[in-house]
Amino acid sequence: GENVEQHPSTLSVQEGDSAVIKCTYSDSASNYFPWYKQELGKRPQLIIDIRSNVGEKKDQRIAVTLNKTAKHFSLHITETQPEDSAVYFCAAINDYKLSFGAGTTVTVRA
Amino acid sequence: NAGVMQNPRHLVRRRGQEARLRCSPMKGHSHVYWYRQLPEEGLKFMVYLQKENIIDESGMPKERFSAEFPKEGPSILRIQQVVRGDSAAYFCASSPGQSSYNEQFFGPGTRLTVL
Repeated sequence: GENVEQHPSTLSVQEGDSAVIKCTYSDSASNYFPWYKQELGKRPQLIIDIRSNVGEKKDQRIAVTLNKTAKHFSLHITETQPEDSAVYFCAAINDYKLSFGAGTTVTVRA
Repeated sequence: NAGVMQNPRHLVRRRGQEARLRCSPMKGHSHVYWYRQLPEEGLKFMVYLQKENIIDESGMPKERFSAEFPKEGPSILRIQQVVRGDSAAYFCASSPGQSSYNEQFFGPGTRLTVL
C-alpha cells in the first residue's frame, strides 16, 4: 500500500515569513495529491491539490510542487499570517484510497 | 447544498458498549469513506462504500467493526464491545464518483470517548 511521509512534524515561523512542508510517497501509481488544513477540533479542509500531470500549482499565497520522479511533493505558504496556524496534512490517492501523512503543526508567531 | 453531516458529534461509551456513528454524504454523492484519527496523528483509511456495497474494508479491524451504506439513509459505522483504544475522532468523507481526481469532502467528525 501507499506510505506517505511528512516533514517536519512541527514548524514555527514568524508572521510574514514562508513555511515549507515536504512529503514523500511510495506508490508510483498515486496520481492525485491533496493538502488539507485542520484546525483544532475541526474537519480537514482541502486547501490545494495537484494532479500527477502537473509540476506546480499556485493559489494566492499557497503553492504546491510535485516531483514524480523523486516521489516528492511540497506545500509552500508565503507571507504567513496568524490564521495560517493549524495542522497541515499531505495525502496521496491511488484509485480512491487517501493515504495521509502524519501532519505538520504550523505555528505563526505574531 | 449542505455538506457532509455526521452525528453524533461527541459520543461517550463505557467499555463493552456499542457505538454507532452516522454519516450523511453530500447531496449527489454516492461514495462514502470512513477514516479514523487518533490523537495527534494523521487520518487512517478504514472503509470505502457505495450504496449497498462495501468496496474496500482493508483498513477496518476484522473484529468488532462493521460498516454499511444502505439504499436509504446514512452510512453507519458500528463498533461493538468498545475498548479504550477505540477512542478517536472518526471522520467520514464523500465524493461524487470514485475518488481519483475527485475531492473527498469531509464531515465534522464524531469524537468517540471510551471510559
